Amino acid sequence: NAGVTQTPKFQVLKTGQSMTLQCAQDMNHEYMSWYRQDPGMGLRLIHYSVGAGITDQGEVPNGYNVSRSTTEDFPLRLLSAAPSQTSVYFCASSREDEQFFGPGTRLTVL
Amino acid sequence: SQQGEEDPQALSIQEGENATMNCSYKTSINNLQWYRQNSGRGLVHLILIRSNEREKHSGRLRVTLDTSKKSSSLLITASRAADTASYFCATAAGGTSYGKLTFGQGTILTVHP
Repeated sequence: NAGVTQTPKFQVLKTGQSMTLQCAQDMNHEYMSWYRQDPGMGLRLIHYSVGAGITDQGEVPNGYNVSRSTTEDFPLRLLSAAPSQTSVYFCASSREDEQFFGPGTRLTVL
Repeated sequence: SQQGEEDPQALSIQEGENATMNCSYKTSINNLQWYRQNSGRGLVHLILIRSNEREKHSGRLRVTLDTSKKSSSLLITASRAADTASYFCATAAGGTSYGKLTFGQGTILTVHP
């Protein structure tokens, strides 16, 4: 099993550009989540999903959209990138309590 | 806002010593988990303790939970250089909270050979 995969590993955007961070899992997990990690801040929940077709907001959802059309995929869309969205983004999946994390996407917005 | 506060923010010890990290949280929880993050990598689950448990062991790890004080501690015994990493506590609220964890700010552990 590949576990949780994320692409790209690194991305540089200009302010105002849009992009999609990809996340896929092959463990047939119902639950998937997106977090952002900023220096000294730990991880903060952006959006999460409890199954295909069902998503909800986390702690810091503004500026991000998600959708979940399949169990495997949970893409995160940045609508109009801002420098404040410079961060490392982690996707995670779980069947119950224990979450499995992807390797992260390091995003810089200039 | 962050649920957990971790203490200390950084810890530097010699190989063979024990490392203790503490986590405090604000609201009621269903369970508390500890994760490890090596530099530049994703997080890896270490151990979970439920709100009705007081202590749990896994290999060289010991976790305690005091719900009256809203605090937890992670003890790593006989530490190794390979234990060098950041350690995060994460809490899950009551009810159906799968997929929703609230993380502390982490403790950076450095173990010197």
